[in-house]
Order: sequence, then structure tokens, then C-alpha cells
Amino acid sequence: GAVVSQHPSWVICKSGTSVKIECRSLDFQATTMFWYRQFPKQSLMLMATSNEGSKATYEQGVEKDKFLINHASLTLSTLTVTSAHPEDSSFYICSASVYPGANVLTFGAGSRLTVL
Amino acid sequence: RKEVEQDPGPFNVPEGATVAFNCTYSNSASQSFFWYRQDCRKEPKLLMSVYSSGNEDGRFTAQLNRASQYISLLIRDSKLSDSATYLCVVGASGSARQLTFGSGTQLTVLP
Repeated sequence: GAVVSQHPSWVICKSGTSVKIECRSLDFQATTMFWYRQFPKQSLMLMATSNEGSKATYEQGVEKDKFLINHASLTLSTLTVTSAHPEDSSFYICSASVYPGANVLTFGAGSRLTVL
Repeated sequence: RKEVEQDPGPFNVPEGATVAFNCTYSNSASQSFFWYRQDCRKEPKLLMSVYSSGNEDGRFTAQLNRASQYISLLIRDSKLSDSATYLCVVGASGSARQLTFGSGTQLTVLP
């Protein structure tokens, strides 16, 4: 089956530093990947749609200068949380669909970010 | 009102019990419906899609009621391994960008 690999699975950083999270589709090509954020006991909230070779599409309220997304190849998207603050501490999950345009998603294992 | 609403639970049931979850959605134009399962501190995994005619996969049965705008998940003969959070997901179209996730219903199956 389709596999999405996400790294790192957890990271602790100091306030003000930047953190990069990688998301790879291992056995399929993904022209589009999705980045979600999930706070405890809350639903997954879509942050942005990552598009291979073009700019990401950010959801309302998500700061594009703070959450930098790069989708440089058909199998890799990265999310960089710049100048992280404690309120950015959350569970970040990427996903992709094996079939372009389909809405059945395969998720990465998630990255738990803790900002001290 | 939330777009997708679920009873957060927790539901604590004994092994072998039958348990049902409901989920309501606000957008009457919604076209696609799913149940995902999320284990603690893990990623969501697709459990099943929900079709208009209802569908069954082993011990799991999903139903859709468009008139009342809710979907349900029934789990029969609960196993310890069914313990997880069950997420209701509703799509406004066929695009993954328009999926809305519920906050989940927590199930614990007790020995």
C-alpha cells in the first residue's frame, strides 16, 4: 500500500529557532501534499496545500512567512516552522493521495513539535 | 456550529459489546464521507468510506443519512484492539483540500 514517511517524529527546540519537517511519498508520486496541524483533543486543521513546482496554497489564518513550504520534487515536501514559539507546539501531519485529485488520504506518522 | 460534530466520548465498553458513533455535518452539499481511526499520538488511518446505500466491512458498518445530515459507525463484537479515536471526515467535493475533520470520538474497549 501507499506509504508516506515523515521525519522527524518528534522535535524539541528553543523559542526563536526554526524547525524543518520532511514528508516523503515512498512508493508513489505526489504532485500535491497536504499539511495539517492538530492540537490535543482537537480536529486536524488543514494549514496548506503543497504543490510540486509551484507555490503552496495556504488556508485562511495561516502565516505563509512563518510556515514555509517547499515541494521541490514529486516525492518530497518540507514544512519549516520559522522563529518557533511555544504556541506553535503541536502535532504536524502531512498527507498525500495516491491518485491525483482524489480525496482518500494517506498520512505520514506525524511530527510532534515542542517549543520551549 | 462546527462543520463536523462528534460526541467526544469517551466510550468505555466491554469486549464483545456493540457500540455506535454518530457524526453530524452542517454542509448539505457535502459529497464524500469517511471514518478514519487514530491511535494515540499516531496518524489517522482510513477505516472506511461511507456510501449512500450504507456499507459493511467485517464488524464495522457505516451508514449515511443525507436528510438528517449525519453518518454513523457501528462496531460489533468489540475487540481490545478497537480502542482508538474515530474521526468523522466530510468532503464538500472530490478534492482533498475540502475535507473537514471532526475532533473524534474516543473508544476504549475494556477486558
